[in-house]
Amino acid sequence: EPEVTQTPSHQVTQMGQEVILRCVPISNHLYFYWYRQILGQKVEFLVSFYNNEISEKSEIFDDQFSVERPDGSNFTLKIRSTKLEDSAMYFCASRPHRGPSDQPQHFGDGTRLSIL
Amino acid sequence: SQQGEEDPQALSIQEGENATMNCSYKTSINNLQWYRQNSGRGLVHLILIRSNEREKHSGRLRVTLDTSKKSSSLLITASRAADTASYFCATVPFNAGGTSYGKLTFGQGTILTVHP
Repeated sequence: EPEVTQTPSHQVTQMGQEVILRCVPISNHLYFYWYRQILGQKVEFLVSFYNNEISEKSEIFDDQFSVERPDGSNFTLKIRSTKLEDSAMYFCASRPHRGPSDQPQHFGDGTRLSIL
Repeated sequence: SQQGEEDPQALSIQEGENATMNCSYKTSINNLQWYRQNSGRGLVHLILIRSNEREKHSGRLRVTLDTSKKSSSLLITASRAADTASYFCATVPFNAGGTSYGKLTFGQGTILTVHP
């Protein structure tokens, strides 16, 4: 069964550095998402991406964050000038075809980001 | 309480027993979904129930939805040790304009431990 893949599984970065988290969504999916989960807390929505543009974003997703789908297969989350509080598990998800939103999202196993 | 609050926060049962988890939410929804997360892994979709549905079954899973009380329950029957995981409800908001990109709002989750 096709799956969403994320790399790396664990990223350790110095505070203030930039990181890029990578995701390969399921190939025929059209909606893409990033979520994050700070240790011990709930999963939080960051951003959704459809038709090569951001369709919705949360308050967390400020100018520090950006997303890109550079080549039709990868979907990346860039965090500029990382802060200690950016330490979390970041999940990528994708959802098939257009239409009503009552389609389940398929999640990757996440990238654990540790800011030192 | 916040959107998508589950109770109990933790549930410990013996193999073969039933497990019931509850979820409450605050805003109007298009659908409600239940996800499972094994330790250190991504979220796996279990079942989706639309706002116009009251009950849904999938194998050993039974989900109910009461939109008047803004609540849902997940019942796992004849539990197994392999069911040990965290379970999250997540809601997709109702959008009167018809455009919804499927953003999920998660609850805190219930940690289920099934003892052999």
